[in-house]
Amino acid sequence: DAKTTQPPSMDCAEGRAANLPCNHSTISGNEYVYWYRQIHSQGPQYIIHGLKNNETNEMASLIITEDRKSSTLILPHATLRDTAVYYCIAHEGAGSYQLTFGKGTKLSVIP
Amino acid sequence: GAVVSQHPSRVICKSGTSVKIECRSLDFQATTMFWYRQFPKKSLMLMATSNEGSKATYEQGVEKDKFLINHASLTLSTLTVTSAHPEDSSFYICSAINRDRGSYGYTFGSGTRLTVV
Repeated sequence: DAKTTQPPSMDCAEGRAANLPCNHSTISGNEYVYWYRQIHSQGPQYIIHGLKNNETNEMASLIITEDRKSSTLILPHATLRDTAVYYCIAHEGAGSYQLTFGKGTKLSVIP
Repeated sequence: GAVVSQHPSRVICKSGTSVKIECRSLDFQATTMFWYRQFPKKSLMLMATSNEGSKATYEQGVEKDKFLINHASLTLSTLTVTSAHPEDSSFYICSAINRDRGSYGYTFGSGTRLTVV
């Protein structure tokens, strides 16, 4: 998996958009960008993934730069329940090997 | 869909005893399962990968005789911590993959908090 770099922590006001950046400058052409989050004392939860195009689902939006060297996860209206550690992972998605977790970004949503 | 059930969620055991943790895929067949370990305020670290019907592959530094993994069916994998010691206290998380779901396929259990006293 390509190495990813994320800020260790971020704060976001409740109700505002949370924009979490991720750098993956060595990502290969067949690696997807995955985002997971882990709420305290729970297992990781899948959020979204993408290859080249921007993606949106009911949880978040994923913006991938044209050169694919970085991406941003957007939580459009952060709530207190979005407080978690967010992990950005570059992975082929082939299913035969593990996801490798970095240190992630600790997002704190503040009332 | 794609739910992974992990049990128990919490367990306290005495030093020297063994503890079994179960990981079940409830609505899909898990061709591969992964076991992770997580210390407080640290990231997840892979312990081993298991494919149904074959021996698990352990990461460097993980004692296979201490952390026994069995993946006897497409819906169940177990991790047994043998002769547990206080340093084995940690948060253990399983993940199951359904290859038919391609890149959507990684699903995690809710984790097991093991405390060895």
